[in-house]
Amino acid sequence: GQNIDQPTEMTATEGAIVQINCTYQTSGFNGLFWYQQHAGEAPTFLSYNVLDGLEEKGRFSSFLSRSKGYSYLLLKELQMKDSASYLCAVPNQAGTALIFGKGTTLSVSS
Amino acid sequence: GAVVSQHPSWVICKSGTSVKIECRSLDFQATTMFWYRQFPKQSLMLMATSNEGSKATYEQGVEKDKFLINHASLTLSTLTVTSAHPEDSSFYICSAGTSGTTYEQYFGPGTRLTVT
Repeated sequence: GQNIDQPTEMTATEGAIVQINCTYQTSGFNGLFWYQQHAGEAPTFLSYNVLDGLEEKGRFSSFLSRSKGYSYLLLKELQMKDSASYLCAVPNQAGTALIFGKGTTLSVSS
Repeated sequence: GAVVSQHPSWVICKSGTSVKIECRSLDFQATTMFWYRQFPKQSLMLMATSNEGSKATYEQGVEKDKFLINHASLTLSTLTVTSAHPEDSSFYICSAGTSGTTYEQYFGPGTRLTVT
């Protein structure tokens, strides 16, 4: 089955850089997603990695190592509005739905 | 593009009553819709996957007779929580996809259900 592990909470200050890690064990691999979720709201898509390496999208970058079963989300120039939960997700075995990790709650302070 | 709406955004109901939540894809046709439940400080748990015109596939541990899912058209899926109990109080989120895979999936804003 699919299993995902992420830290529960992280804190950082405005302007800093933070790296949120995610390790996974899957039966087969069909890519890894990162979502951002503000409290009481639905998740919004951040990134999808299927190949090894770093993909940069503005202040947010996502890295994947398939051999290590490891990904991270890198947030630069942190802003207060980045305070949210960050969810790592992988497709289920059939590739028909997403399995989410428990999420990492990031608190950004001034 | 790719907007998904949910209605209502929040609902309070009494124990024993039923509640229907609608999920609509506004500007695309959703062949697949997913229903998730999220308890406070927990992650999203997939409840069921529905394809238009066919029966929903429920995840292990989800009672299909309690959580009725209907996906009657390519733009609308409904989740009915029957005989609701306080432990059903949760955040229910739908998402919609344009294919049978997860690679394009758009989330609705969620529905907060409180059962008193």
